[in-house]
Amino acid sequence: DQQVKQNSPSLSVQEGRISILNCDYTNSMFDYFLWYKKYPAEGPTFLISISSIKDKNEDGRFTVFLNKSAKHLSLHIVPSQPGDSAVYFCAASDEGSGTYKYIFGTGTRLKVLA
Amino acid sequence: GAVVSQHPSWVICKSGTSVKIECRSLDFQATTMFWYRQFPKQSLMLMATSNEGSKATYEQGVEKDKFLINHASLTLSTLTVTSAHPEDSSFYICSAREREGETQYFGPGTRLLVL
Repeated sequence: DQQVKQNSPSLSVQEGRISILNCDYTNSMFDYFLWYKKYPAEGPTFLISISSIKDKNEDGRFTVFLNKSAKHLSLHIVPSQPGDSAVYFCAASDEGSGTYKYIFGTGTRLKVLA
Repeated sequence: GAVVSQHPSWVICKSGTSVKIECRSLDFQATTMFWYRQFPKQSLMLMATSNEGSKATYEQGVEKDKFLINHASLTLSTLTVTSAHPEDSSFYICSAREREGETQYFGPGTRLLVL
């Protein structure tokens, strides 16, 4: 049972344009969401997070939007740069349960074309 | 951000041997460390959660006698793959957090190949 889904395995975007990566979840108890960036053979790097009490969080070129009613979150990168090319994972956590475990999606490979 | 290291970065071993992977938090004290594994082109799957000084909590389907976890100090956790078999070949990644509710920071991962 995949509780966190990233339905697009890959995405190609032109340099300078906006990249939009999507993530859906099924567990309504999730209350904390994160995006990580990962290069091959490396560990994930934290990008940005959002609590369920918010619907938007912005950090530089990265913005995460949360739509709780749709159980959907998205990561916007603007402007996209070639160095953004990597695999992006969304993760969700039920902080209220006290376990603080992260459930990861399957990842979306972003390719930013110069 | 916080720095987490792993050692070794990759290891090749013969079937039946045991392999120990270390995870260290370099600039903070990690009350909790997590161990994940990732198969090619798949998601990160949580194997176990370890709190300093107590027994690890394993996820369903993960054999605790095969994957021994020791979190002996606030900066070090180890994962030992005992009697490794080729199907244990994978990318093992640890993460650490300083306090409850704080973001997990990941190590660079260890690639294990069992021949």
